Amino acid sequence: EAGVVQSPRYKIIEKKQPVAFWCNPISGHNTLYWYLQNLGQGPELLIRYENEEAVDDSQLPKDRFSAERLKGVDSTLKIQPAELGDSAVYLCASSLRGAADTGELFFGEGSRLTVL
Amino acid sequence: AQRVTQPEKLLSVFKGAPVELKCNYSYSGSPELFWYVQYSRQRLQLLLRHISRESIKGFTADLNKGETSFHLKKPFAQEEDSAMYYCALRRTSGSRLTFGEGTQLTVNP
Repeated sequence: EAGVVQSPRYKIIEKKQPVAFWCNPISGHNTLYWYLQNLGQGPELLIRYENEEAVDDSQLPKDRFSAERLKGVDSTLKIQPAELGDSAVYLCASSLRGAADTGELFFGEGSRLTVL
Repeated sequence: AQRVTQPEKLLSVFKGAPVELKCNYSYSGSPELFWYVQYSRQRLQLLLRHISRESIKGFTADLNKGETSFHLKKPFAQEEDSAMYYCALRRTSGSRLTFGEGTQLTVNP
């Protein structure tokens, strides 16, 4: 199994341009997460979905960031417009919920964004 | 608010030496604690969870509620243990997972 799939792996854009990241979670995983990881720091949660509902988006900068998870499977994270400080790795993860929830998150390889 | 602190950004030991990666947390309740690891050019993955009380790859971690700590230990470090280690906490099943800033462990030959 491929695990959590993210694309693109790398993206270089100029400031004020838009950018979008895509994530395909592990089949059957109801919960999907987007994390931001700045250089030298741990992952920070941006948004968490249960199926298609965003249940925790308190740390998502909604003035420029948006996310969606249509049909409760794939998800897209968008930044518009991008700023220099958005340069980071964007991690997607998925997990099971309910009785099967062990707390284990399965991460993708991440999308590294560089804003020039 | 929940918070995880890993006081050492870098830790270097020699092969065969004991290693301890420190993790302290702040949360008034009874949280669930985890250690995640990221080997070079690999994905972030779960190493162990305190609920399971298991030993994975020779690593163990004990939750000390009095000291609010969850230190990761291994009696004899191996070169393949070199990686980035993150301590993580969540309040209850289904809640958000909060990570520490990580400790880069290097095991020298």
